[in-house]
Amino acid sequence: KQEVTQIPAALSVPEGENLVLNCSFTDSAIYNLQWFRQDPGKGLTSLLLIQSSQREQTSGRLNASLDKSSGRSTLYIAASQPGDSATYLCAVTRETNDMRFGAGTRLTVKP
Amino acid sequence: DAMVIQNPRYQVTQFGKPVTLSCSQTLNHNVMYWYQQKSSQAPKLLFHYYDKDFNNEADTPDNFQSRRPNTSFCFLDIRSPGLGDAAMYLCATSRETGSPQHFGDGTRLSIL
Repeated sequence: KQEVTQIPAALSVPEGENLVLNCSFTDSAIYNLQWFRQDPGKGLTSLLLIQSSQREQTSGRLNASLDKSSGRSTLYIAASQPGDSATYLCAVTRETNDMRFGAGTRLTVKP
Repeated sequence: DAMVIQNPRYQVTQFGKPVTLSCSQTLNHNVMYWYQQKSSQAPKLLFHYYDKDFNNEADTPDNFQSRRPNTSFCFLDIRSPGLGDAAMYLCATSRETGSPQHFGDGTRLSIL
């Protein structure tokens, strides 16, 4: 059974700092990996999706990497802003469409 | 414009009283999903539809059922809600299996 772990559970940084969020998964036979953002009391917003054949994806200040063999992904946020404060979740999908989420990292960016 | 719409945003029901949550989409996606998310936990997939084909997760309680009368709508029925069913329920859609999923804002269910 696929297990997805995100460390740390919570992170607080000053504005302007670059940061890395970590995601690890136990079964490397994945179809894709997706990073989401969740604001309090809201649904999930997709940030980046990496197919199993890809190594990384970039969108603006965000860069996500994938190392299937080691079962790891990172989300890099450059020049963090208070508006980046949210919970970030990673989710892996197998070809059976079985999507498993991590519990998320709660990020606080202080002005 | 919202593409995955969940109603209501907040739902309160009594212990044991059936409740239905609704989800609609304007994306014309083939796949619709229901997730349960408890406080500070990962969303947990309950079931999904590919078109009219229903796929239930093995550990989804029998108390939870779903209907998809057409492409645009999908419903989550909880037959006899217990206190442990209080959670945020998230609906999502995707064009195909493995495509990016688009989420609604969720319905927060409280049980009295």
